[in-house]
Amino acid sequence: GQQLNQSPQSMFIQEGEDVSMNCTSSSIFNTWLWYKQDPGEGPVLLIALYKAGELTSNGRLTAQFGITRKDSFLNISASIPSDVGIYFCAGPQGGSEKLVFGKGMKLTVNP
Amino acid sequence: ETGVTQTPRHLVMGMTNKKSLKCEQHLGHNAMYWYKQSAKKPLELMFVYSLEERVENNSVPSRFSPECPNSSHLFLHLHTLQPEDSALYLCASSQDRGGAQFFGPGTRLTVL
Repeated sequence: GQQLNQSPQSMFIQEGEDVSMNCTSSSIFNTWLWYKQDPGEGPVLLIALYKAGELTSNGRLTAQFGITRKDSFLNISASIPSDVGIYFCAGPQGGSEKLVFGKGMKLTVNP
Repeated sequence: ETGVTQTPRHLVMGMTNKKSLKCEQHLGHNAMYWYKQSAKKPLELMFVYSLEERVENNSVPSRFSPECPNSSHLFLHLHTLQPEDSALYLCASSQDRGGAQFFGPGTRLTVL
């Protein structure tokens, strides 16, 4: 089945820094979703992308749907301590309702 | 309340107990899902319901029994679980099958 490769797997940054993460696949996705999960909580949808080349912002977060439809990027600007968590990319497996998830990127922000 | 809610948030049960997890979505969505999230493992899709009809059962053991009485409510009935079933159980909903899924806060289940 389709797989999503998410990198890096973890990052340690200082408060105020920007951070970028990406997600790639060998298959085409028609939708890219970015989630954040805090410990012991459910994933929260941050940004949904539906069109190749689309660039969408949500506050300090910006995500892009790659033009090849095989990748997506999420950027966080001016990080703050509450940005700590695990960030997942996801997309619907070809033609089905199943979401394929990346393995997640654990972000640590040092005050 | 808004979004997707789950109760209880925490549950400890013995292997011979019977319990149920409840999920309610207030988003007017047509599809609902159960996932299992174990430590250091990716999310595992368990069941999918679309318009109250089960459309996906991902080889889940029969000790897990889902129920969807209407499009807003989803239950997961548990009986004779094993310790390895301890995990975070997440409910999600989407407008339609294949759409962006919105997750509840999860139920942290511990089986003794």
